[in-house]
Amino acid sequence: AQKVTQAQTEISVVEKEDVTLDCVYETRDTTYYLFWYKQPPSGELVFLIRRNSFDEQNEISGRYSWNFQKSTSSFNFTITASQVVDSAVYFCALSEAGTGTASKLTFGTGTRLQVTL
Amino acid sequence: NAGVTQTPKFQVLKTGQSMTLQCAQDMNHEYMSWYRQDPGMGLRLIHYSVGAGITDQGEVPNGYNVSRSTTEDFPLRLLSAAPSQTSVYFCASRKTYGTQYFGPGTRLLVL
Repeated sequence: AQKVTQAQTEISVVEKEDVTLDCVYETRDTTYYLFWYKQPPSGELVFLIRRNSFDEQNEISGRYSWNFQKSTSSFNFTITASQVVDSAVYFCALSEAGTGTASKLTFGTGTRLQVTL
Repeated sequence: NAGVTQTPKFQVLKTGQSMTLQCAQDMNHEYMSWYRQDPGMGLRLIHYSVGAGITDQGEVPNGYNVSRSTTEDFPLRLLSAAPSQTSVYFCASRKTYGTQYFGPGTRLLVL
């Protein structure tokens, strides 16, 4: 069975600080996909990134970066120079490859990030 | 291209009432899913479909029915609403092995 753990329930930072959101996953599959979604106060779920299990390259997109390490089953998300608009709940999710249940995304419980001035 | 749309945005029901949450996508995605989001529990899969005419249960299917008569639509039916079904419901769709995109959500309150 697949599982995603986001141990940090809530994080508060002051604007311009860097912050890392942790994500640890469990799966028996050798091929899988990892995701991060953002849920701002307005409630919608916004896709941020998808990473394949066979691609361990780190990804940087503007102030966002992701560190994928298969050896520790982690897929951490760092926001550099945080801004108030980054305040949201962030979800890490895992999807195993294959048919049938391949559509299932297993979510972590989310990390609420509060960025203050 | 509207993406994934859901109606209604908000609904109040009395215990025992039935209703259908509508979901539609215009991206020709094969896979569609319904999730519920409850505080502190992330999102949990209710039902999913891998194509028209094919549906299957997720983690928390009890009290919900689905059908998939077309590629575009995937309605979720509550047969007899219970207070435990108070939640935010998200519909999602994706292509095979693609990224899952979510609708805006339906907030349901069962009294």
